[in-house]
Amino acid sequence: KAGVTQTPRYLIKTRGQQVTLSCSPISGHRSVSWYQQTPGQGLQFLFEYFSETQRNKGNFPGRFSGRQFSNSRSEMNVSTLELGDSALYLCASRMGTNEKLFFGSGTQLSVL
Amino acid sequence: GQQLNQSPQSMFIQEGEDVSMNCTSSSIFNTWLWYKQDPGEGPVLLIALYKAGELTSNGRLTAQFGITRKDSFLNISASIPSDVGIYFCAGLSLNTGNQFYFGTGTSLTVIP
Repeated sequence: KAGVTQTPRYLIKTRGQQVTLSCSPISGHRSVSWYQQTPGQGLQFLFEYFSETQRNKGNFPGRFSGRQFSNSRSEMNVSTLELGDSALYLCASRMGTNEKLFFGSGTQLSVL
Repeated sequence: GQQLNQSPQSMFIQEGEDVSMNCTSSSIFNTWLWYKQDPGEGPVLLIALYKAGELTSNGRLTAQFGITRKDSFLNISASIPSDVGIYFCAGLSLNTGNQFYFGTGTSLTVIP
């Protein structure tokens, strides 16, 4: 069974640009959540989608948005990039509420 | 968002030594997960715990779900160089939006 797949693996953008990250969950998993990881802040929760509906949202500005498609694949979009958005963005999937959470390899975003 | 208290923050040990780390929370959790993360990679799930008092092993790793449901422990026996990495815990509370909260991480260095 394939794991959580995130694309692209690396991204370099400049301030003001926007970016879209993609995540394919483990087959059968309907929940997809997104996290931002930086050395100083650790893992910060962005949002979670379940069956195409946003179920939870973290404390991030509206520049961060996401969506989930009917096949459970998810995308995350960041508009008007800032230097501070440089981070490893991780996607995770789980089958149900009280189930194990599995992470992808992440997308390393660098904003110049 | 809420972060769990994880200690120690870092450890430097000799190969062959045992390692212990723990996570504590002010909230009661229904699930505890333990992960290992290598630099620039996604976290890899090591052990999942679902019941207070539960003790689960995965090779040289053993984790326990604290009886108070507010803490969890991870032990690594007979450490080897490939154990190097960052270990962190995650806790799930069904009472707070079914969202996982994460520890701040323990950086482990194994000296051959």
